Amino acid sequence: GQNIDQPTEMTATEGAIVQINCTYQTSGFNGLFWYQQHAGEAPTFLSYNVLDGLEEKGRFSSFLSRSKGYSYLLLKELQMKDSASYLCAVKNRGSQGNLIFGKGTKLSVKP
Amino acid sequence: DAGITQSPRHKVTETGTPVTLRCHQTENHRYMYWYRQDPGHGLRLIHYSYGVKDTDKGEVSDGYSVSRSKTEDFLLTLESATSSQTSVYFCAISESKGAGDGYTFGSGTRLTVV
Repeated sequence: GQNIDQPTEMTATEGAIVQINCTYQTSGFNGLFWYQQHAGEAPTFLSYNVLDGLEEKGRFSSFLSRSKGYSYLLLKELQMKDSASYLCAVKNRGSQGNLIFGKGTKLSVKP
Repeated sequence: DAGITQSPRHKVTETGTPVTLRCHQTENHRYMYWYRQDPGHGLRLIHYSYGVKDTDKGEVSDGYSVSRSKTEDFLLTLESATSSQTSVYFCAISESKGAGDGYTFGSGTRLTVV
């Protein structure tokens, strides 16, 4: 079966750094995605990892360890607009390459 | 210039009535998906399509049917709406099932069944 776990909620302070973890169990791993979703809006693509290591994109970075079934999303220099839900999603080689989503982590950034 | 649009954006319907949600894309992508999003459950796949007239069930397909007669349109039908189908429905598109291809989501349809 497939299982994706991430914390339900997190709180951080404006200007700080926050790390959102995601662990997964799946067969035929074929990539991990992070999406950002503001309340009442659609998810939007943030990052993609298929090989082990860190991918950096501005204030956002994402890390993957395939052997540990683990990823994290790192947000630096937090801004109020970063308050949103962050969704971890895994793609498998089977099932027509469908994305399986975790339940999301709601991040609240406080002044 | 949105490449994917959903209609309607909001709908209130009565229990037992049929409801059809529409997803329209202008990207000519092969893959289209319908998800529902509920508190505590995240995004769950209802049905997906991998080409015209080619569809398959997802994790939570009971009570739903889909059709794709043209590349650009993917319809989701609730045969007889129930209160448990009150949810936010998202359509998504993908160019391929390749490793690096993620999804682009529509703006969602908020459906309330009373």
